[in-house]
Amino acid sequence: ELKVEQNPLFLSMQEGKNYTIYCNYSTTSDRLYWYRQDPGKSLESLFVLLSNGAVKQEGRLMASLDTKARLSTLHITAAVHDLSATYFCAVPFMYSGGGADGLTFGKGTHLIIQP
Amino acid sequence: NAGVTQTPKFRVLKTGQSMTLLCAQDMNHEYMYWYRQDPGMGLRLIHYSVGEGTTAKGEVPDGYNVSRLKKQNFLLGLESAAPSQTSVYFCASSYRGSNDEQYFGPGTRLTVT
Repeated sequence: ELKVEQNPLFLSMQEGKNYTIYCNYSTTSDRLYWYRQDPGKSLESLFVLLSNGAVKQEGRLMASLDTKARLSTLHITAAVHDLSATYFCAVPFMYSGGGADGLTFGKGTHLIIQP
Repeated sequence: NAGVTQTPKFRVLKTGQSMTLLCAQDMNHEYMYWYRQDPGMGLRLIHYSVGEGTTAKGEVPDGYNVSRLKKQNFLLGLESAAPSQTSVYFCASSYRGSNDEQYFGPGTRLTVT
């Protein structure tokens, strides 16, 4: 069984500050995904990390993957209010008989950025 | 392109009633997925499909059935709804499975009383 754990689950921070969200997973995987969800909305893909050492950046967000440590980080630089959302990491997992991978999600990090 | 669409957007059922949720995608994706999202639980995979005519169980398949008769459509059925199935249901699709990002639909909010 794959377990995906995010921490923190809730984070309130001020604009202009830096912070990191952590995603740990329990079984071997060389791929990991980050999604953003605004309240009452669907999920939006942020990053697809496909190999050990992968690093991707988009604006004030940067994601990295360490497959040996089974750890991904999502770093926020100089946070702004518009980044307030819930962030999910997800890891592929082959469910029995499926022939392909579904995604197992962490519980999400609810991020509030205050002016 | 409409992307991934879901119908209906909201539904209220009484315990024991049945219903079907429809997911449609116009991106010619092979892979389609159904997830449920409950407060504090993240998203959990119910069933998925790797192509027309094929389906497979995910993490929480009990109480649900699915069908993929056409490549662009993926149906999720509840034969006898229970209050524990109150949730927000998301459909997603991807082109090549987990090497590609999944595109999510807008969700269906289902309440079972």
